[in-house]
Amino acid sequence: GENVEQHPSTLSVQEGDSAVIKCTYSDSASNYFPWYKQELGKRPQLIIDIRSNVGEKKDQRIAVTLNKTAKHFSLHITETQPEDSAVYFCAASNYGQNFVFGPGTRLSVLP
Amino acid sequence: ETGVTQTPRHLVMGMTNKKSLKCEQHLGHNAMYWYKQSAKKPLELMFVYNFKEQTENNSVPSRFSPECPNSSHLFLHLHTLQPEDSALYLCASSQDKGQPQHFGDGTRLSIL
Repeated sequence: GENVEQHPSTLSVQEGDSAVIKCTYSDSASNYFPWYKQELGKRPQLIIDIRSNVGEKKDQRIAVTLNKTAKHFSLHITETQPEDSAVYFCAASNYGQNFVFGPGTRLSVLP
Repeated sequence: ETGVTQTPRHLVMGMTNKKSLKCEQHLGHNAMYWYKQSAKKPLELMFVYNFKEQTENNSVPSRFSPECPNSSHLFLHLHTLQPEDSALYLCASSQDKGQPQHFGDGTRLSIL
């Protein structure tokens, strides 16, 4: 079955700096890779996703890149702000299959 | 504003009690999920229902019993729980399996 690893488990950056979170997956059939943000005491919310036919996707300050050959994908947050502080989860799936989530990265943006 | 509503938000119960968690989605989705989220642990998939049929039970103890009476409602019946069952229980739904999942706010469960 699919296995998703995520690094780092915790990340602290200064406000205004960039943050990068990396995930690897094991099943080459996976073709959908979402990223969720979970603020303290709140539900996970989808912030960006990418499908296997695309190498990069950007939405304002966040972007996701996918390397299918190496089976890894990354979340990039630029110009970080205090409200970016949260736990971020990556996931991998194939249509008709369940999501397999990574263990999460706790991002702290320091003022 | 969320299309997935969970009740109650908080629940404290003794180990011998019986209670139920409720999840309702108004998104017209076909798949619904129960996840357990413990401190410093990844999201643990518990149960999956697709078109009201249970398609996955991830070796969950029988003290957790899911019920899906229709495609909009999902319940998790709790009976004789253990202290280690204290966690945030999240419900999610998606159009189909493998599609973007929408989460509810969760039920924070504490077992005394």
